[in-house]
Amino acid sequence: AQSVAQPEDQVNVAEGNPLTVKCTYSVSGNPYLFWYVQYPNRGLQFLLKYITGDNLVKGSYGFEAEFNKSQTSFHLKKPSALVSDSALYFCAVSEGDTDKLIFGTGTRLQVFP
Amino acid sequence: KAGVTQTPRYLIKTRGQQVTLSCSPISGHRSVSWYQQTPGQGLQFLFEYFSETQRNKGNFPGRFSGRQFSNSRSEMNVSTLELGDSALYLCASSPLAGRIEQYFGPGTRLTVT
Repeated sequence: AQSVAQPEDQVNVAEGNPLTVKCTYSVSGNPYLFWYVQYPNRGLQFLLKYITGDNLVKGSYGFEAEFNKSQTSFHLKKPSALVSDSALYFCAVSEGDTDKLIFGTGTRLQVFP
Repeated sequence: KAGVTQTPRYLIKTRGQQVTLSCSPISGHRSVSWYQQTPGQGLQFLFEYFSETQRNKGNFPGRFSGRQFSNSRSEMNVSTLELGDSALYLCASSPLAGRIEQYFGPGTRLTVT
């Protein structure tokens, strides 16, 4: 069965510093990986995805993610954090050619001024 | 283009009642998925519909059902409500099913008393 793990419930970072939100996955076959962000009282917003190709994926709002097949990881990164990046971040994997997403437990990112 | 809309946004029901939630996808999107979000269980997949056909169903009891209409609008129904059904129910749409990002609505907050 497909699964993703987000080992950190919360990540704290100072504004202007780089940030990393971790995600590891377990899939059979090729992984289709996604990052979504959720702001308070809102639905989820798509940030980026990895389907195939370059291991470094660039997404919205300056975020990027690095796919590492040997470590089965798909960590979300940003070179310089903003206070407005504070939100709940979800890593997800899809099952084949479907829209069924398996989500991680989420990581709350807190960026301090 | 208008985003995914969900109605109602908030709902309070009594245990034992039934409820119907509605989702209108982005114009032109044919795939609609539903997710339940709770503090304890996180984001869990409920259903996926594509062109009025249910393609996938999550591990929820038969009290949870859904359907999709010819205009791609979708409804989900929960019968015999239980306290544990209190959650944020999110709908997402995409143009095609699989490997591409989904667009989420703001959700319906259901409270069962």
